[in-house]
Amino acid sequence: KNQVEQSPQSLIILEGKNCTLQCNYTVSPFSNLRWYKQDTGRGPVSLTIMTFSENTKSNGRYTATLDADTKQSSLHITASQLSDSASYICVVHGGSYIPTFGRGTSLIVHP
Amino acid sequence: DTAVSQTPKYLVTQMGNDKSIKCEQNLGHDTMYWYKQDSKKFLKIMFSYNNKELIINETVPNRFSPKSPDKAHLNLHINSLELGDSAVYFCASSPITQGARGANYGYTFGSGTRLTVV
Repeated sequence: KNQVEQSPQSLIILEGKNCTLQCNYTVSPFSNLRWYKQDTGRGPVSLTIMTFSENTKSNGRYTATLDADTKQSSLHITASQLSDSASYICVVHGGSYIPTFGRGTSLIVHP
Repeated sequence: DTAVSQTPKYLVTQMGNDKSIKCEQNLGHDTMYWYKQDSKKFLKIMFSYNNKELIINETVPNRFSPKSPDKAHLNLHINSLELGDSAVYFCASSPITQGARGANYGYTFGSGTRLTVV
């Protein structure tokens, strides 16, 4: 069964600190992996998309990594800001039209 | 503004009623989707249309009926609403069908419609 597991479920950090969110998946075959940011009361917004051959991709202070061998991805946030408080969702696309979503990591950045 | 817009943003209704949620995208995308996000924030795909053609129809009660009059619009009609239908419903679009070879494009999501059935 295709699954995407994210950890931690929630995370609280101080402004300016770095953090790393994890995503493990069992989706096969693998097409691509995406990270989305969802602010409260808004729709998810795409941060990064990585295919099988890509190990890392950055979008500003967000850097995603992918290890297709171990089926793990991480999202690293550098120098966190209050506006980074959101839910971060990992989504994996396989060979079908149906994506597999993780349940998200809820990040709270405190001043 | 180029976007995916859905209306209404909030919908409170009684059990048994019929309601519709509208979605429009002006991004020129070929594919549109409806997603349901439950109280635990878990997103699940419901339907997908590509150029007005239904390509994904997940295990959704047949009380839910999508309608795509053209590729820029995908509306969701729900009959005989039940308490368990309470959730946030997101419309999304993408340039081509996700899952197709080379389809490495992200979704663009609308802001969501919070449906509360009382």
